[in-house]
Amino acid sequence: DAKTTQPPSMDCAEGRAANLPCNHSTISGNEYVYWYRQIHSQGPQYIIHGLKNNETNEMASLIITEDRKSSTLILPHATLRDTAVYYCIVRPYPVSGGYQKVTFGTGTKLQVIP
Amino acid sequence: NAGVMQNPRHLVRRRGQEARLRCSPMKGHSHVYWYRQLPEEGLKFMVYLQKENIIDESGMPKERFSAEFPKEGPSILRIQQVVRGDSAAYFCASSGDYGYTFGSGTRLTVV
Repeated sequence: DAKTTQPPSMDCAEGRAANLPCNHSTISGNEYVYWYRQIHSQGPQYIIHGLKNNETNEMASLIITEDRKSSTLILPHATLRDTAVYYCIVRPYPVSGGYQKVTFGTGTKLQVIP
Repeated sequence: NAGVMQNPRHLVRRRGQEARLRCSPMKGHSHVYWYRQLPEEGLKFMVYLQKENIIDESGMPKERFSAEFPKEGPSILRIQQVVRGDSAAYFCASSGDYGYTFGSGTRLTVV
């Protein structure tokens, strides 16, 4: 079973920030929060990951609460191309040669509206 | 730096035929995961393989499905005697420093 819960769907106006929440109240100390997205019919794409500090890259920002029980993925200026299903997962940091089975939940279907 | 390569992209099989799906992980990766995605559903883990070893097949159906990752060549997911319920997208991933890298998937249609 997935260890995260996300709202099933969200809408966001084009050009506005999209804030996607994720609850991971049972996260362990060695587990990171990862975000992926799946644009229709394509393979899931890595977005960002973090442990406890906020992270930012060219795609998005990740805000993790101090107790690490929830996080928010922020797409600062959503475009129509950001319409996708967004998956939040928790997993230990990859160790070379280590087993990293990951369970995906149903994610949040983000619809960016013109 | 080629990513995870899956082929074919689309595969059509008649009921009762065999389907073979291939996956080549990223260069330097020796771990392969297979996931299945039924229409309008999420990704479901099927199997995890290392070279020449099946490590976790807890998500594989008990019958008709098998997977291998030989010493040389791609990983193969084989579905024997396909039924319409096998119609789905099958994704392969390999793991690295940034977690999974997924292939583009194989869309299997059983007619």
